[in-house]
Order: sequence, then C-alpha cells, then structure tokens
Amino acid sequence: DAGVTQSPTHLIKTRGQQVTLRCSPKSGHDTVSWYQQALGQGPQFIFQYYEEEERQRGNFPDRFSGHQFPNYSSELNVNALLLGDSALYLCASSLARDRYNSPLHFGNGTRLTVT
Amino acid sequence: LAKTTQPISMDSYEGQEVNITCSHNNIATNDYITWYQQFPSQGPRFIIQGYKTKVTNEVASLFIPADRKSSTLSLPRVSLSDTAVYYCLVGDYSGYSTLTFGKGTMLLVSP
Repeated sequence: DAGVTQSPTHLIKTRGQQVTLRCSPKSGHDTVSWYQQALGQGPQFIFQYYEEEERQRGNFPDRFSGHQFPNYSSELNVNALLLGDSALYLCASSLARDRYNSPLHFGNGTRLTVT
Repeated sequence: LAKTTQPISMDSYEGQEVNITCSHNNIATNDYITWYQQFPSQGPRFIIQGYKTKVTNEVASLFIPADRKSSTLSLPRVSLSDTAVYYCLVGDYSGYSTLTFGKGTMLLVSP
C-alpha cells in the first residue's frame, strides 16, 4: 500500500523563477492538502483540493496555485519565487467521507531552495 | 480554529515515560485532538487521535479531561528513536477541514 509520494525530493531555483511540485496521495485517498514548513517552524497550510477543486486556502498569496487531477494526484505551483519561499513543502492526503477515522497522511516533502 | 499551547522542548532518558501536555482552551464541540510526530526532513506522522477520556494504541496514550481544554500525550518507555518534534492539533474533521500546526514540542531522549 503506497503512502504519499512527492517529487522531486530536492530542488534549487533562482529568484523570479517558477516551480511545480508533485504529489500522489495514499492509495484510496481523495483529498490532498499542501503545507509549507520553514526551518524550525510547524507546517503552515497552503490549500486543500477535493474533487479537483480548491476547497480551502490558507494565508498565502496568489503566486501559490494548485491543481488536482482525476486520479487525485496534485500539483503545487509557485510563481515569481522569492528567497522566503525556501522551505520544505509537504503534501498530505486523507479520505473525505471517512473523516473521523482518516487523519492526514504526509509525504516526506520537497525541499525547495531559492537562491 | 482552536489555538494550542505546548512546551517548546522536553528532555527525557531512555526507558522513562514522557507526558506532553497541550492546552486548547477554546476547543469547539466538533473538534478532535490529534498528535503528530515529525523527524528531521520527514513529513509528520500520525500518532493518536481522540475526542474525550482516554485513547490508547500501540505507541501512545492520549488523556483528555472532561472539560477538554487540555490533553496529554503519554509515551511509555521512550527510546532514543523517539527523539522528534511532537505536534498537538485541534480541528473539526469535516470533509474540507484543515489542521493548524503550532511550533510543536521538541523531545530529546538521552541514553
């Protein structure tokens, strides 16, 4: 039973560039959430996708966008990268209809470094 | 979303029981309490979840008093591999809900 997988594991980009991060949810899960974790901080919620639509969004600018595909996989896109976007980006999946018994399952993240 | 407060760090020795307490004074009726564990450069891993009283699984116990304004994660007989950051989260598990992470508690287990 595959867990949450994310790619790539590490990425180095230059200020102003754009980046796309990818996530495959745990088998059987239909909801994907993205989190940003800066060094020494807890994960901060970016947004959540269910049924291919963004359902909730945290306090992140429009430079952060996403997409969910029919197979429930998801992408996180960040435009016009800033140095402050350097962080570990975590994807988490869950099952909406079994919410009380379906805690978030996290991948190991993509480490993004912006220079 | 209910805000949580937990100690920044704790120290323990192998074989001891560790109790980490989390305060969540404004917890809502529909909120559950969930604890996650995170190792460096890894995603958080679910430990335990509860609504009231006591919940126990193979790795931990969760104690929740009747007023639900706090909770205690109990780790029996910790080992060096339990050194990690532990997050207490409170949230409503509706279909589209999310969880808010604080800074967590850094647990250091020494030999």
